[in-house]
Amino acid sequence: DGGITQSPKYLFRKEGQNVTLSCEQNLNHDAMYWYRQDPGQGLRLIYYSQIVNDFQKGDIAEGYSVSREKKESFPLTVTSAQKNPTAFYLCASSGPSHQPQHFGDGTRLSIL
Amino acid sequence: SQQGEEDPQALSIQEGENATMNCSYKTSINNLQWYRQNSGRGLVHLILIRSNEREKHSGRLRVTLDTSKKSSSLLITASRAADTASYFCATDAGRGNTPLVFGKGTRLSVIA
Repeated sequence: DGGITQSPKYLFRKEGQNVTLSCEQNLNHDAMYWYRQDPGQGLRLIYYSQIVNDFQKGDIAEGYSVSREKKESFPLTVTSAQKNPTAFYLCASSGPSHQPQHFGDGTRLSIL
Repeated sequence: SQQGEEDPQALSIQEGENATMNCSYKTSINNLQWYRQNSGRGLVHLILIRSNEREKHSGRLRVTLDTSKKSSSLLITASRAADTASYFCATDAGRGNTPLVFGKGTRLSVIA
């Protein structure tokens, strides 16, 4: 079945550590997105990529980094510079212009 | 930046009743989309209404759009306990695959 897979489902980070969240899609979508969701809140955009080897910062990019070396993959690294990383992270992808986004089931990141 | 604002923030109804959620936004849009999120899961697309449409139906869902008031409403008829979730509106205002802008959501509880 086509879809978006995020892994791991739960992740724990130690102080000073970088961690990488995986996002893979087999929908052949050009565009991919990373969002952060805090409890009871909406989605805030971290980074997005409209095409391979290109990406743009969203509203809250500080302390995060991404790469887009393959169409199917858009990993997110939460760096040690992100002082409050505890949140639910959602990855999404979309097809041709103005089409709905498809979401993965998220990764919940906590600090040890 | 959050463009859509849902109202109410939370809604509790009895099974069989109708649920209405509202969304207001600030700028011109290409389309407006509604998504559903079950607890701890990713978002699922429900319905998309284009800026030149006024009303759209999908099963028990009815969406209206009033571009003059920059507002939309989502009506769920004959609600079921399984409709318990958070509902988000998202506006598509840019060109190409620019990111959606999500509101903070309405948390719906349907009591059996």
